[in-house]
Amino acid sequence: GENVEQHPSTLSVQEGDSAVIKCTYSDSASNYFPWYKQELGKRPQLIIDIRSNVGEKKDQRIAVTLNKTAKHFSLHITETQPEDSAVYFCAASIGDYKLSFGAGTTVTVRA
Amino acid sequence: ETGVTQSPTHLIKTRGQQVTLRCSSQSGHNTVSWYQQALGQGPQFIFQYYREEENGRGNFPPRFSGLQFPNYSSELNVNALELDDSALYLCASSFVDEQFFGPGTRLTVL
Repeated sequence: GENVEQHPSTLSVQEGDSAVIKCTYSDSASNYFPWYKQELGKRPQLIIDIRSNVGEKKDQRIAVTLNKTAKHFSLHITETQPEDSAVYFCAASIGDYKLSFGAGTTVTVRA
Repeated sequence: ETGVTQSPTHLIKTRGQQVTLRCSSQSGHNTVSWYQQALGQGPQFIFQYYREEENGRGNFPPRFSGLQFPNYSSELNVNALELDDSALYLCASSFVDEQFFGPGTRLTVL
């Protein structure tokens, strides 16, 4: 089955700096790669996603890149703000079937 | 916020008991997936239902079972509860590939 690895497990950044989280996946059939943000005690919230026919996608301060050959994808957050502090999960799936999640990255933005 | 709702919010059970968790999908979504999220970990796929039929299952024993109803609402049933079943149970509804999560049910097994 699919195995998703996520690094780093924790990330502390100064407000205004950039944050980068990297994930690798094992199943070449995976074609959908969402990123979720989960605040303490709340549901995972879809913040951005990318499909296998696209190499990069951007939404305001958030961007995701995908390298299908190397089977890795990354989340980039620019101009970080205190409200960006949360746990971020990458995931991979084939369509909407079975999301396989990474272990999560705890991001702390220092004011 | 998504249109996915779950009930109850919290639940405390004792080992050996049975529990039923409920999920109401976002309007127009015909697929529902259930995930178990242990403390400090990512969600783990339990199973998925599509148009009332089970559409795949993760590495969970048969005492985890589910149902999806004609209105696309769904239930997760867990029999013979074990201490390790303590977790946040999330349902997610989808139509194409985006999965939107409900707020979860926090199950504690004592």
